Amino acid sequence: EIVLTQSPGTLSLSPGERATLSCRASQSVSSNYLVWYQQKPGQPPRLLIYGASTRATGIPDRFSGSGSGTDFTLTISRLEPEDFAVYFCQQYGNSPLFTFGPGTKVDIK
Amino acid sequence: EVQLLESGGGLVQPGGSLRLSCAASGFTFSSYAMSWVRQVSGKGLEWVSGISGSSTYYADSVKGRFTISRDNSKNTLYLQMNSLRGEDTALYYCAKWRSHYLDYWGQGTLVTVSS
Repeated sequence: EIVLTQSPGTLSLSPGERATLSCRASQSVSSNYLVWYQQKPGQPPRLLIYGASTRATGIPDRFSGSGSGTDFTLTISRLEPEDFAVYFCQQYGNSPLFTFGPGTKVDIK
Repeated sequence: EVQLLESGGGLVQPGGSLRLSCAASGFTFSSYAMSWVRQVSGKGLEWVSGISGSSTYYADSVKGRFTISRDNSKNTLYLQMNSLRGEDTALYYCAKWRSHYLDYWGQGTLVTVSS
């Protein structure tokens, strides 16, 4: 089973700053099946990025994903007030099908 | 607009059973795989089960206790949960499954297992 580790646990930034979130896998993620979700309090996760770097429908271009193999990054180029949330990475594999990282909380400094 | 509406959660004693439902609308339900994911009190996410065509998939933690099914005539996904344990307490989301990701999620239904 592939284990995902996210860092940092919490990222304290100001609006307008750049956020860089890391997701590291214990083994290589096949076919770059690496996904990012955003979750705000009281809401379900929202799909941001799939295939490591493809933005989902309606996601602003300040969100970008990169990486391959075992190291992946979600970058938010300029934080907007609505971007303060928890971000989860997820990989797709054989067993279990979906594995999630523990999340990174981006909060207001 | 894709909508997923879960129901069926509640308080159940250890060893008991519950059946969750997820009513889908806004897309051709029969054409898509579906999944259940749970979240313990605002913490991490755990994939529980998925159904794609006639194939079903389960996390090891629920295998043999939970059964996923669907009724395409009713646009509804189900999760039958038996032999429930305290560690099954969570908010259960249903999600539309595409390729390697979950593109739409419901608001969730809360399951509490306690005596």
